[in-house]
Amino acid sequence: SAVISQKPSRDICQRGTSLTIQCQVDSQVTMMFWYRQQPGQSLTLIATANQGSEATYESGFVIDKFPISRPNLTFSTLTVSNMSPEDSSIYLCSVDNRGVTEAFFGQGTRLTVV
Amino acid sequence: GNSVTQMEGPVTLSEEAFLTINCTYTATGYPSLFWYVQYPGEGLQLLLKATKADDKGSNKGFEATYRKETTSFHLEKGSVQVSDSAVYFCALDRDDKIIFGKGTRLHILP
Repeated sequence: SAVISQKPSRDICQRGTSLTIQCQVDSQVTMMFWYRQQPGQSLTLIATANQGSEATYESGFVIDKFPISRPNLTFSTLTVSNMSPEDSSIYLCSVDNRGVTEAFFGQGTRLTVV
Repeated sequence: GNSVTQMEGPVTLSEEAFLTINCTYTATGYPSLFWYVQYPGEGLQLLLKATKADDKGSNKGFEATYRKETTSFHLEKGSVQVSDSAVYFCALDRDDKIIFGKGTRLHILP
């Protein structure tokens, strides 16, 4: 299994500002992902964080709005840029190792934009 | 495309009642199937999984069987407890991505 630490756990931010969320894993993992869970909704994959290269974004998500870094195999950041109230969600980091059919999730970051 | 459909919630049951949460999927090939649980104020945790047809996943008294013929992975528990109150997500793993259903909120009354 993998232990994932995600920071901050929650934040209240002003519209127009940016927030960077950190995800730290206690072991090297192949795959790291970022999800969004809007109020009352399911999880939607934002992007796959690729180590040493640009993230792979899902339809409807763009790098300018959600820049992602992954400098090594245990750490990633997601930035929510130029925030609006519609960005109020829970953002979750997830990790997966190829060949292991199970994903692990961080506790999530509850973001409220006012 | 790949998708997961699960029953709408909330589901409210009395303690010791029998639980079924329906889940069906659409996918190419043979995905792995999962149930994740999200307890109040916590992150997602894997509850159980099945990786091939006719596999039965089980954990904490919950069970689900991978039914290829009906493309289903229904979650069941014979006697629920108040502590089972949570949101349950059915999911599939395809092409290294996990696709989630919308979640079913379960309330268990004492």
